[in-house]
Amino acid sequence: DSGVTQTPKHLITATGQRVTLRCSPRSGDLSVYWYQQSLDQGLQFLIQYYNGEERAKGNILERFSAQQFPDLHSELNLSSLELGDSALYFCASSVGSRDLLLSGYTFGSGTRLTVV
Amino acid sequence: AQSVTQLGSHVSVSEGALVLLRCNYSSSVPPYLFWYVQYPNQGLQLLLKYTTGATLVKGINGFEAEFKKSETSFHLTKPSAHMSDAAEYFCAVSDPTGNQFYFGTGTSLTVIP
Repeated sequence: DSGVTQTPKHLITATGQRVTLRCSPRSGDLSVYWYQQSLDQGLQFLIQYYNGEERAKGNILERFSAQQFPDLHSELNLSSLELGDSALYFCASSVGSRDLLLSGYTFGSGTRLTVV
Repeated sequence: AQSVTQLGSHVSVSEGALVLLRCNYSSSVPPYLFWYVQYPNQGLQLLLKYTTGATLVKGINGFEAEFKKSETSFHLTKPSAHMSDAAEYFCAVSDPTGNQFYFGTGTSLTVIP
């Protein structure tokens, strides 16, 4: 157990729907990162939050949004889902950016989203 | 800007043979380099990292990697493959702030008995 908790583990939904993925970071970690892993795109950075504030944005679609709450858990909202959004969505945490360099990311086990 | 190229999306080796997974990077600043491993149905785990100092870094499970600035490479090696090494391996590069962190597309390692 890495200490990063992601729920749900699996999600199957229809096109056009909206889903919310949840991540609880490792105790003491202030930064949360969301990644999308698909067969054709590899591991793509979506967005980072640090202590409740957006810190960096990657290849995140406008249909996707995220937030980090005061208790530091984070949610990734995916709307108007398309077949191509089917992927593994990983959350990772670290104390901060410098800690990331020293200790690396701590990843959760991911949420597998299937859009049908 | 930073980027990573992993040569070979699939590598197969026999059990007991040398493992060599290739990674080349591009960076406009001194890079921080990482190798992560992903076992089936799990998140990524840090194998090893290079930040500064000694260019040969040792990681978990007998893996090591050498930072070669002249070749802009950070190849991952293990002298003798074990069946349990079968997994997906990702090379990653970051700038010194950690704010720009990029993963390669991954190399799937198969170990043949």
